[in-house]
Amino acid sequence: DGGITQSPKYLFRKEGQNVTLSCEQNLNHDAMYWYRQDPGQGLRLIYYSQIVNDFQKGDIAEGYSVSREKKESFPLTVTSAQKNPTAFYLCASILSSGNTIYFGEGSWLTVV
Amino acid sequence: DQQVKQNSPSLSVQEGRISILNCDYTNSMFDYFLWYKKYPAEGPTFLISISSIKDKNEDGRFTVFLNKSAKHLSLHIVPSQPGDSAVYFCAADSGYALNFGKGTSLLVTP
Repeated sequence: DGGITQSPKYLFRKEGQNVTLSCEQNLNHDAMYWYRQDPGQGLRLIYYSQIVNDFQKGDIAEGYSVSREKKESFPLTVTSAQKNPTAFYLCASILSSGNTIYFGEGSWLTVV
Repeated sequence: DQQVKQNSPSLSVQEGRISILNCDYTNSMFDYFLWYKKYPAEGPTFLISISSIKDKNEDGRFTVFLNKSAKHLSLHIVPSQPGDSAVYFCAADSGYALNFGKGTSLLVTP
């Protein structure tokens, strides 16, 4: 079945540590996105990538990094510079602009 | 600055009645709008969309209305069912990414 797979579903991180969230899609979609959801904040764009080896900062990119070495993979690293990393992270992909965007199941990150 | 606004954080409706969820946007360049439904701890799922060349799109119990001059869209659910209880996000396509509102939590009571 085609879809977007995020892992892990739940992740605990100690303060000062970097952590990487995985996102893989087998939909042959060109563009991939990372959003963050906080209570009462909706979905805010962290980074996006429209083609392989290219990515752009979204609205809240500080403290995050990404890579897009393969079309199907768009991992997000939450660095120690991110001041409030505890949140629900959503990866998404789209074939091209104007089409429906599909989301993964999300990853919960908690900093302890 | 929030370009897509959902000013009602929550809405409670009785089963069988109409649910109306509202959304306003500020950028007149947006030309494609979508509604997503989200359950807790899950990714959003696509519900319905509308292009700016239309003012209405219907899919079963769900209808989206677009008023370009007012920069306003609304989602109507008729009749509402308890399974519709979820958070609904309005989104606008900026051409490179979707801009989401903060969501409206809908509760449909029996």
